[in-house]
Amino acid sequence: EVQLVQSGAEVKEPGQSLKISCSASGYIFNDYWIAWVRHVPGRGLQWMGMVYPDDSDTRYSPSFQGHVTISVDKSIHTAYLQWSSLEASDTAIYYCARRTVTTFRQSYMQFWGQGTLVTVSS
Amino acid sequence: QSVLTQPPSVSAAPGQKVAISCSGRSSNVGNNFVSWYQHLPGTAPRLVIYDNNKRPSGIPDRFSGSKSDTSATLDISGLQTGDEADYYCATWDSSLSADIFGGGTKLTVL
Repeated sequence: EVQLVQSGAEVKEPGQSLKISCSASGYIFNDYWIAWVRHVPGRGLQWMGMVYPDDSDTRYSPSFQGHVTISVDKSIHTAYLQWSSLEASDTAIYYCARRTVTTFRQSYMQFWGQGTLVTVSS
Repeated sequence: QSVLTQPPSVSAAPGQKVAISCSGRSSNVGNNFVSWYQHLPGTAPRLVIYDNNKRPSGIPDRFSGSKSDTSATLDISGLQTGDEADYYCATWDSSLSADIFGGGTKLTVL
């Protein structure tokens, strides 16, 4: 059974750093991209970026490039999303998802983590 | 404002059918495959359609998808109150080199 288990909720102050995790099991970890998706309550889903565990190839949405860092530790089947300096606008629920690529034109996210609530407030 | 345009809301009575549209351009919908997600805020999104018109295991055949040129559609027939959720289309955008989501459509089953 494919499972993605995310780290717990976080409460931080503006300017602080944060790293949240997504631990995968039940499939060959190196063979699938892990994507990160943001949901701000009352707003839509936003794709942030993804990482390919086998070679750590990382891609970012232009909207998030430079503001977050996505990384992976394939030895422990875990992907990460981190911030060096949080802002109040980073308050959201963050989901990781396993991204399947059939061809370069065919991709989808079938398995999702349970979400990590990040609250940034002074 | 999302690159993929969806109606903010749709509604229909139980048992009826609803269609949710997703309009894009050649760099995304026009040349890449579309997936659809059902999302109840506070829970993980659920894949309901992938590769334009395929259903994952466990998704009832009341859900169907189609695509024509730069537009895609999610159809839900035999509506049930349990179908109430936000629905998002998504695809790869070759110009952005990123996945993108539509703005989302809130489905209300009256």
